[in-house]
Amino acid sequence: DAGVIQSPRHEVTEMGQEVTLRCKPISGHDYLFWYRQTMMRGLELLIYFNNNVPIDDSGMPEDRFSAKMPNASFSTLKIQPSEPRDSAVYFCASSLYRGVEAFFGQGTRLTVV
Amino acid sequence: AQSVAQPEDQVNVAEGNPLTVKCTYSVSGNPYLFWYVQYPNRGLQFLLKYITGDNLVKGSYGFEAEFNKSQTSFHLKKPSALVSDSALYFCAVREEQAGTALIFGKGTTLSVSS
Repeated sequence: DAGVIQSPRHEVTEMGQEVTLRCKPISGHDYLFWYRQTMMRGLELLIYFNNNVPIDDSGMPEDRFSAKMPNASFSTLKIQPSEPRDSAVYFCASSLYRGVEAFFGQGTRLTVV
Repeated sequence: AQSVAQPEDQVNVAEGNPLTVKCTYSVSGNPYLFWYVQYPNRGLQFLLKYITGDNLVKGSYGFEAEFNKSQTSFHLKKPSALVSDSALYFCAVREEQAGTALIFGKGTTLSVSS
């Protein structure tokens, strides 16, 4: 398996634009997590899914953020409209079940100017 | 609610010396504990985990960690540090019960000098 695949790797956008980050989890994994990493806040959990169902989205900072998982092999994190303070590295991770480690993608570095 | 604390933002050690990166956790049930490492501009890589059993767990690259339930700690250790161990290290916890997420500490930067 190629691991967790995220796209794009880098995204630069202007304030107010819509941004969509994509993630393909490892095949067969039934948990999917979205995290955001910043210098100030470290690694924050935004939302996670179990069997494509959102379980906890309490980490989503504002209504501007939304996440979907239409099937077991694809998830998106959307920011609309984007703001400069959304600039961060966004990671997607997946795991087989709760007792094992999560595998991380390479991340998407988002810059909002 | 789950939480993880890494009390040191940075740990500095000389090559060849032992290293310890500290982690304490808080969960309401039994914990699953993990250590990850992140190199610059890379994703997180799994190092080791404690699920059950022996309190001393061994992982990748010569790292080990000791689970201490009474102190709610899971410190990462290595007997002899290498310059190449310099990186950002994250401790994470997940509750045993179903449907829980992996929660990370803020990370500790390990710097190994030659």
